[in-house]
Amino acid sequence: DAGITQSPRHKVTETGTPVTLRCHQTENHRYMYWYRQDPGHGLRLIHYSYGVKDTDKGEVSDGYSVSRSKTEDFLLTLESATSSQTSVYFCAIRSTGLGEQYFGPGTRLTVT
Amino acid sequence: ELKVEQNPLFLSMQEGKNYTIYCNYSTTSDRLYWYRQDPGKSLESLFVLLSNGAVKQEGRLMASLDTKARLSTLHITAAVHDLSATYFCAVAVDSNYQLIWGAGTKLIIKP
Repeated sequence: DAGITQSPRHKVTETGTPVTLRCHQTENHRYMYWYRQDPGHGLRLIHYSYGVKDTDKGEVSDGYSVSRSKTEDFLLTLESATSSQTSVYFCAIRSTGLGEQYFGPGTRLTVT
Repeated sequence: ELKVEQNPLFLSMQEGKNYTIYCNYSTTSDRLYWYRQDPGKSLESLFVLLSNGAVKQEGRLMASLDTKARLSTLHITAAVHDLSATYFCAVAVDSNYQLIWGAGTKLIIKP
């Protein structure tokens, strides 16, 4: 257990509303990642962070923004949710040993 | 563009049989990861392969890496029902340890 929690775990929201998902870690890892998982696509990186206030885009960043104001928290914001953003969102941290990523429990987001 | 391709994407097999999942990737990388995901659950790290010829084994699962062929395999020996899951491979692509993921292989093992 890498001490990663995500909130909320489930959310239903309407098209056009902003949504913020939170990832919290307890072990002071530098690297944090946000992915989405959709059937047939594996995991796709949205954004990642390599330190406080240091973030960069992944392959599917359009429509998403992130913030990291402290080491333990990495926030993902959908600025104006669309139905195409219905997905399961996973947060991950990178371990300092072999570089494995450890994942949070996921957030299931439905945009109606 | 880096691509990671797994095959097969779906595999149904009987208990006691052996099978192999393949993971091909399109550019050089110095590390490859295998993960397992149970339905409705998060992802669990299985293996980290760091060099050409690396082989790791855990129980009935064995993973190997051929960096020259850009190929990793996950071999299942004498499958048991508890190994039913979706298996993903992922390849590290840059100094920020971004991973590019295969689409996953859904493995169903029938008693």
